[in-house]
Amino acid sequence: DVKVTQSSRYLVKRTGEKVFLECVQDMDHENMFWYRQDPGLGLRLIYFSYDVKMKEKGDIPEGYSVSREKKERFSLILESASTNQTSMYLCASSSLAGGRDTQYFGPGTRLTVL
Amino acid sequence: DQQVKQNSPSLSVQEGRISILNCDYTNSMFDYFLWYKKYPAEGPTFLISISSIKDKNEDGRFTVFLNKSAKHLSLHIVPSQPGDSAVYFCAASGDTGNQFYFGTGTSLTVIP
Repeated sequence: DVKVTQSSRYLVKRTGEKVFLECVQDMDHENMFWYRQDPGLGLRLIYFSYDVKMKEKGDIPEGYSVSREKKERFSLILESASTNQTSMYLCASSSLAGGRDTQYFGPGTRLTVL
Repeated sequence: DQQVKQNSPSLSVQEGRISILNCDYTNSMFDYFLWYKKYPAEGPTFLISISSIKDKNEDGRFTVFLNKSAKHLSLHIVPSQPGDSAVYFCAASGDTGNQFYFGTGTSLTVIP
């Protein structure tokens, strides 16, 4: 069964802290994605990666960075957390096989920045 | 700028009736569309997809219709069940690869 896991379901951090959100998939997928979900705005793409050590900016990369050292793991980093980064963060993965493929999502991390 | 729009934030339907969720897009290069369902405190799960070479795709109680000229797609759920109560997102992709653009979601409530 397809599995995408995220390191925390709920996280509370203070303004200015460095925050790491981890995502692991066990499907040997090439593509991994980080989104944030906010009311009225839907899912917005922050960063994505097509391969190890490779990253591409999505629609809202400002204030975030990512790391992909291994195929199965994709980390989202908030260098200095701010209150406007309070959100639900969703990780997803998909395969390159066949060109386009369904994205499989993790359960999400609800981050609150105080 | 939102390239995929779901103009109805919420929808209530009686159990057993049809639910119709709508989605509009602006980018004519989009040629692959999906619907996801999301329960609270869970990640979205894939529901159904459609490619632009088709105008309809059916999977059990779920049917997606695509009108390319109107840049509009819709998801029909027949008959609606209380377990269908969730937020539904449509998503679209073009020939740029695996990046999907998501709508803002429609919260469906099926009333028993």
